[in-house]
Amino acid sequence: GNSVTQMEGPVTLSEEAFLTINCTYTATGYPSLFWYVQYPGEGLQLLLKATKADDKGSNKGFEATYRKETTSFHLEKGSVQVSDSAVYFCALSNYGGSQGNLIFGKGTKLSVKP
Amino acid sequence: DAGVTQSPTHLIKTRGQQVTLRCSPKSGHDTVSWYQQALGQGPQFIFQYYEEEERQRGNFPDRFSGHQFPNYSSELNVNALLLGDSALYLCASSRARLNYGYTFGSGTRLTVV
Repeated sequence: GNSVTQMEGPVTLSEEAFLTINCTYTATGYPSLFWYVQYPGEGLQLLLKATKADDKGSNKGFEATYRKETTSFHLEKGSVQVSDSAVYFCALSNYGGSQGNLIFGKGTKLSVKP
Repeated sequence: DAGVTQSPTHLIKTRGQQVTLRCSPKSGHDTVSWYQQALGQGPQFIFQYYEEEERQRGNFPDRFSGHQFPNYSSELNVNALLLGDSALYLCASSRARLNYGYTFGSGTRLTVV
């Protein structure tokens, strides 16, 4: 079945460090891929998405590229800030972004120290 | 423009009781999905409602049921509560046939004691 695997946290970085959170997936067909972020006490916010192979999603300095050959969608940011501290979830949907259900990874907690 | 609104924000129930959680979708959205997020885990899909009917369902028992009203708002009902039902319940809304993704609410934290 469909699944998402992401690196376990927590990840602790100093401000301005480079961030990578690995995400790989298993799916039939051509899923859409997403990164969501959850700040403490809040729901999930869509960070970025990609709907086909080689697409690059980007937002707020974060980027992720849909790699079909490696079934990966790793999240990167060149210089993290304290305000980026949150839990990050990789997810896929087999039916497009708003019609099928989302399948989430377990989440990776990021803590950024000043 | 209000996003997705969920109520209540927190509640505590006793094993065996029943609970109803409520969700108002973002303006312009017509599809509502419910997710259960256990502590330290990713959200798990419960079901999705569109045009007042359950369109998809995840791997949850029949104790979990829902409803969508003509104004697109939705309820999640859980009967015969178990300790393992303690979780954050998230509602997500979207607009059918438009690939703009989901908007999530802040969730209802349910504690079963």
